[in-house]
Amino acid sequence: KQEVTQIPAALSVPEGENLVLNCSFTDSAIYNLQWFRQDPGKGLTSLLLIQSSQREQTSGRLNASLDKSSGRSTLYIAASQPGDSATYLCAVPNRDDKIIFGKGTRLHILP
Amino acid sequence: NAGVMQNPRHLVRRRGQEARLRCSPMKGHSHVYWYRQLPEEGLKFMVYLQKENIIDESGMPKERFSAEFPKEGPSILRIQQVVRGDSAAYFCASSPTSGTGAYGYTFGSGTRLTVV
Repeated sequence: KQEVTQIPAALSVPEGENLVLNCSFTDSAIYNLQWFRQDPGKGLTSLLLIQSSQREQTSGRLNASLDKSSGRSTLYIAASQPGDSATYLCAVPNRDDKIIFGKGTRLHILP
Repeated sequence: NAGVMQNPRHLVRRRGQEARLRCSPMKGHSHVYWYRQLPEEGLKFMVYLQKENIIDESGMPKERFSAEFPKEGPSILRIQQVVRGDSAAYFCASSPTSGTGAYGYTFGSGTRLTVV
């Protein structure tokens, strides 16, 4: 049974700092991994999708890496801004095609 | 492309009433997933549908909840005789292929159900 864990559960950092969010999964037989952002009371916005054959994906100040063998992914945010404050969710499809989500990391960027 | 459209955005129902939540997937997407998010909890899988077929409903309560994705029209999540514990945000996602494909998932903005 696939389980997804995100650490830390919450993080507060001053504006301008670089930061790393962690995601681990128990079943390494994944086809892809997706990072989402969720603002309070809003839906999910897809940030990055990494295929199992890829090691990383980049979009602007965001970089996501994937190490299937160790069951880990990281989301790196460079030069953080107050607008980056949100909950970040990691998700993987399991063998039954269900998307399994972590509980998320609540990020607060201090102006 | 309007993305995944869910309506209504907010829905208030009295205990015992029925709630109908609608989801129109992105154009060209034939796979639809429903998720529920309880306050301060993570997203939990409810049901996975393709056109006219329920593929996996293992996450959906067996009583009072049902889902469909007809040949024409949106996917519907129906909750009969709602109770306070049904209050949550319900999200729909769509994909052109199954989760094992290369496209990932696109989520709607959700329907926030409040049972009073």
